Amino acid sequence: KAGVTQTPRYLIKTRGQQVTLSCSPISGHRSVSWYQQTPGQGLQFLFEYFSETQRNKGNFPGRFSGRQFSNSRSEMNVSTLELGDSALYLCASSFLGGVLETQYFGPGTRLLVL
Amino acid sequence: GNSVTQMEGPVTLSEEAFLTINCTYTATGYPSLFWYVQYPGEGLQLLLKATKADDKGSNKGFEATYRKETTSFHLEKGSVQVSDSAVYFCALSDRGGSEKLVFGKGTKLTVNP
Repeated sequence: KAGVTQTPRYLIKTRGQQVTLSCSPISGHRSVSWYQQTPGQGLQFLFEYFSETQRNKGNFPGRFSGRQFSNSRSEMNVSTLELGDSALYLCASSFLGGVLETQYFGPGTRLLVL
Repeated sequence: GNSVTQMEGPVTLSEEAFLTINCTYTATGYPSLFWYVQYPGEGLQLLLKATKADDKGSNKGFEATYRKETTSFHLEKGSVQVSDSAVYFCALSDRGGSEKLVFGKGTKLTVNP
């Protein structure tokens, strides 16, 4: 079974631009969560999608948004990029997103904002 | 709110040494507890988990016991290998919380031959 895939793996943008990252979950998984990893703040939860609906949301500004498609693939978008948005963005999937379920992480997209 | 505190690194050990990475948590409900590992240039992999008090999670020689009385989930391994060099994250998932997983800051482990 293929794992979680994320594209692109690396991205360089400039301040003010916007960016879209993609995540394909493990086949059959319907819950997709996004996390931001930075050296200063560590791993922080962005949001979770289940059956095309945002089910949970972390404490990030509205510039961070996402969506999920009917095939469970998910995208996240960051508008008006800031230098502080430079981070590794990780996507994780699970079957139903339950508390007891294991989340499987992708390799991440490393975003550099110049 | 929910939070996880784990010992700060980096931790440097010689091969075959004993490893302990401390992790304590604060949660509103009855969380599930996890240890994830991140190898250089890769995403996170689940190492082990425990879903209720006194459960012991184990995998690849690593162990951690869910201690409700001390709100702890310390990671241990009796004999580390060079291939164990990675960053280790303690995390919790709480039914009463809004975040899927709350992570500690991570502990970088380097094992020297």
